[in-house]
Amino acid sequence: AQRVTQPEKLLSVFKGAPVELKCNYSYSGSPELFWYVQYSRQRLQLLLRHISRESIKGFTADLNKGETSFHLKKPFAQEEDSAMYYCALSGSGTASKLTFGTGTRLQVTL
Amino acid sequence: DAGITQSPRYKITETGRQVTLMCHQTWSHSYMFWYRQDLGHGLRLIYYSAAADITDKGEVSDGYVVSRSKTENFPLTLESATRSQTSVYFCACGDGGVNYGYTFGSGTRLTVV
Repeated sequence: AQRVTQPEKLLSVFKGAPVELKCNYSYSGSPELFWYVQYSRQRLQLLLRHISRESIKGFTADLNKGETSFHLKKPFAQEEDSAMYYCALSGSGTASKLTFGTGTRLQVTL
Repeated sequence: DAGITQSPRYKITETGRQVTLMCHQTWSHSYMFWYRQDLGHGLRLIYYSAAADITDKGEVSDGYVVSRSKTENFPLTLESATRSQTSVYFCACGDGGVNYGYTFGSGTRLTVV
């Protein structure tokens, strides 16, 4: 079984402060990990994938297989980063169903 | 327009009624999914499909039915709506290839009264 845990429902930070959204996973094989973002009342958008090791909107995430984590980080939070963030996992090799965490709401205040 | 579209955007229905939510994609992606989004639960998978005429249950499939006679369409039917099915429903699709990750529709907000 695959499971994704996002321990924080709400993370509130000041503008310019560093951000770390936590994500831990449980999966017996090699997982594919993703971060999705949902701005207010909009559709979910893919933010980044661990396989591509990209940086989108200043966000990065490193897969730590030893700690089974895929935390999302940004050095300096911006107001426009305020949104709901979901960590998601899929089995490796072929596309399969995405399992989502319960999400963390990031609130960036002045 | 290319993309994935859901209809209707909003729906109010009565308990016991049958209601169908539509999902249409223009890319001919193999994989399609239905999720429901609820506060405190995040997104939970209802049903998914790997290709036309191939569907499989997700973790919260009770009370829902899907079909996939054509690659581009993946309708979700609530056979007899209950208040617990009040939710926001998202459809998603993906090609299952290198371009991993899925594209989501705008969602359908369903209220069962």
